[in-house]
Amino acid sequence: DTEVTQTPKHLVMGMTNKKSLKCEQHMGHRAMYWYKQKAKKPPELMFVYSYEKLSINESVPSRFSPECPNSSLLNLHLHALQPEDSALYLCASSQTQRGGESIQYFGAGTRLSVL
Amino acid sequence: GQNIDQPTEMTATEGAIVQINCTYQTSGFNGLFWYQQHAGEAPTFLSYNVLDGLEEKGRFSSFLSRSKGYSYLLLKELQMKDSASYLCAVMGGGSYIPTFGRGTSLIVHP
Repeated sequence: DTEVTQTPKHLVMGMTNKKSLKCEQHMGHRAMYWYKQKAKKPPELMFVYSYEKLSINESVPSRFSPECPNSSLLNLHLHALQPEDSALYLCASSQTQRGGESIQYFGAGTRLSVL
Repeated sequence: GQNIDQPTEMTATEGAIVQINCTYQTSGFNGLFWYQQHAGEAPTFLSYNVLDGLEEKGRFSSFLSRSKGYSYLLLKELQMKDSASYLCAVMGGGSYIPTFGRGTSLIVHP
């Protein structure tokens, strides 16, 4: 089983709303990732959690706030987003961050539209 | 960072063979992945290469030459469902987090 589950699948929000994206995996993976992907572009790394600690924040604006409540869950809290934040948000997980254990398995993504 | 280059678009005929190339420049190479991504869907893992040579997995094979900074993904017996974007991703600079290339959009026609 290589399943990463993301909810919701689609989200429309106004610029003043607060919403959260959720990601869950039950593969025992200890590294989890958030990516942002615009149409016809590669995924861009946003955040990395390793053993439930934030290890990488790729200079993401503070209107995006990640949270890792436990080893299976990863959230992305959204507040005061801009229309240019509209994109596909992908969650991924890997066993660890070493060699072949770095293979990332992706969720189906949340398609976010900011009005 | 990693400088990754792959063709933007390729077309091929159903039943044929296609080779998608990826070149990269990096120090501290730790491995290369190929992912398939259908429009509007998540990337799915295809292959992982860390040593030189060919890895075969069914209709898909991936090759790596570390000295040349070069990899290719070979797709045999193409099917219409193989129409997708193919992403080359490199772990370099001593990191185990991949940097994704721009992707190659493959169009398979009858």
